[in-house]
This record gives sequence, C-alpha cells and structure tokens, in this order.
Amino acid sequence: DADVTQTPRNRITKTGKRIMLECSQTKGHDRMYWYRQDPGLGLRLIYYSFDVKDINKGEISDGYSVSRQAQAKFSLSLESAIPNQTALYFCATSDWTGETDTQYFGPGTRLTVL
Amino acid sequence: RKEVEQDPGPFNVPEGATVAFNCTYSNSASQSFFWYRQDCRKEPKLLMSVYSSGNEDGRFTAQLNRASQYISLLIRDSKLSDSATYLCVVNMRDTGTASKLTFGTGTRLQVTL
Repeated sequence: DADVTQTPRNRITKTGKRIMLECSQTKGHDRMYWYRQDPGLGLRLIYYSFDVKDINKGEISDGYSVSRQAQAKFSLSLESAIPNQTALYFCATSDWTGETDTQYFGPGTRLTVL
Repeated sequence: RKEVEQDPGPFNVPEGATVAFNCTYSNSASQSFFWYRQDCRKEPKLLMSVYSSGNEDGRFTAQLNRASQYISLLIRDSKLSDSATYLCVVNMRDTGTASKLTFGTGTRLQVTL
C-alpha cells in the first residue's frame, strides 16, 4: 500500500463549487504539505502543517483552506472554486531530522474547474 | 529572478550518452539541496541529496558549488528509463526549525534509442 494517498485522483467541478481534497499518510510523519503544480511554474506551496496544532500559509494560500484532522490526515478545501485553480495538487509528508527534510509525495489529484 | 532556476530542456540524448543538468539558486542562506525525479503525470520522488563534497549514486553524480550558488546532476550511460523531468530543490531554513523547500520548474530529459 502507498505511504501517502490522495483522494480523489481526478475531479472535474464547476466554478463556485466547494471542493475538498484529502490526504492520508501511514509514514508517521508530523509534517504535511499541500502543493499545486502548473506547467512552467513548478511546484508551489499552498499550506503546511508541522503538527496537528500547527497550520501555516504557504506562498499561494489565497482561495484555499486546510484542516489537520489527525497526524495522518491533512485536507485541502477550495471554498469557491475558480478556473485558475485548475492544476495538479500534491500532498507531501516529511520527517525533519534536524538536518534534512526529505519530502514524500502522494500520487496527486488532477483538478479541473470549468 | 526566480529563487531556483533550471533550463527546462528538453534534453534529447541517445542511450549511453552522458548528460548534465545545472541549477542555480538565489538565496545564499540555502542550507540543503536535492534532486527529485518526476515521471509524466506522476509525483516527484527523491533521486538524491546533494552534499558539499559531491556525491555519487551509481550512474548519478551530484555536485554543489556554494560560492557560485549552483547545483549539478550528471547522468552517465543514460538509459531509456532515465527519461523524466528532473527537479532541482533547495531548502532554505527560516526561523527556528521551520524550513521551506523551493522547487525549480524542472529539466526534461528524453533518452532515445
């Protein structure tokens, strides 16, 4: 079984709809992240959480919210989806060792907003 | 200027060739460096960390030049299976133990017969 899972894997929705993307991990990591990937722009950080009580905005958090329901679960919500939120979304986890912070990614959710 | 810059490619090379990718970063406070590999429509996966002394993993060699703020990845004896996008990733530590990974946009490699 995959260590980091995302649901759904693909979603098509309409402008204005509320969407939730879910992420679960079995790696036991405290740190979790949400990124989006767009052609030519690379991966950009939306939100990150270093533990259940710690939520931080990334570089492009406007229009998104998150919830860290448990150590293993981190969900991303689009309250009112718009077409420029069409992208590939990745969840990631990491285990900070004090020196390095290798990230492990889920398989991604392809979201299309019409 | 982008924080992490890479040549997007594509680099088209024949099987067996040696190919090198470079990446530059703008923040001199950057602390750790990585190369990730991403196959088409798949998630990025760690290929290797990059250490100041340089490091090698089989056919892959990574080097770091802090003075010039660039990182390189050398692939020897390219295989068809090496075809992918290679992401340069830089970790800039903020205050305390917070850290921020910044990803380059990737360099696409296509290895052909």
